[in-house]
Amino acid sequence: QKEVEQNSGPLSVPEGAIASLNCTYSDRVSQSFFWYRQYSGKSPELIMSIYSNGDKEDGRFTAQLNKASQYVSLLIRDSQPSDSATYLCAVNMASQNRDDKIIFGKGTRLHILP
Amino acid sequence: ETGVTQTPRHLVMGMTNKKSLKCEQHLGHNAMYWYKQSAKKPLELMFVYSLEERVENNSVPSRFSPECPNSSHLFLHLHTLQPEDSALYLCASSQDLGTGNTEAFFGQGTRLTVV
Repeated sequence: QKEVEQNSGPLSVPEGAIASLNCTYSDRVSQSFFWYRQYSGKSPELIMSIYSNGDKEDGRFTAQLNKASQYVSLLIRDSQPSDSATYLCAVNMASQNRDDKIIFGKGTRLHILP
Repeated sequence: ETGVTQTPRHLVMGMTNKKSLKCEQHLGHNAMYWYKQSAKKPLELMFVYSLEERVENNSVPSRFSPECPNSSHLFLHLHTLQPEDSALYLCASSQDLGTGNTEAFFGQGTRLTVV
């Protein structure tokens, strides 16, 4: 069973601190990895994508990928109350023949403490 | 606004009703998806279409019937649903399949309640 695992939280982080969100996945051939943010009652919003090992930075967000460990993380620097949401890790668990399956984790609830 | 529009936003239907959910994308994408999101469960992939051809059906009950008349429109036809089918139904689109560039963009969803 191909899976994406996340700690459901809630993860409470003081305002201004770094929030660290983690995700592991089961399928070694996975190529594409995504982080979505979902506010309560809203649809998921793509905030980061990463395709190769290492770090990718975009503003206050940094995605980290380690394919050998099958691990992907999201760091949020200078956390703001508006960052409070559920963060969904998503993994494309297919290769080249049009059978892409974007599988989502259950999400981690992040709460930024003012 | 992501360029993916779903209607209706809310739907209440009886178990004997027939209704349809509509999704339209204005992004020029070739792939479209239906996901189901229930409370305390991960997003569940239901159907994937690429260039109007269904390429994935994750063993979804036949009371859910998808239709993709062209690459910009996707429907989900519903009939004889059960109360446990109440959920948020999300449509998404991506540029293509099999290229690795599969960033998916979601519509606002349809909140479905089956009574």
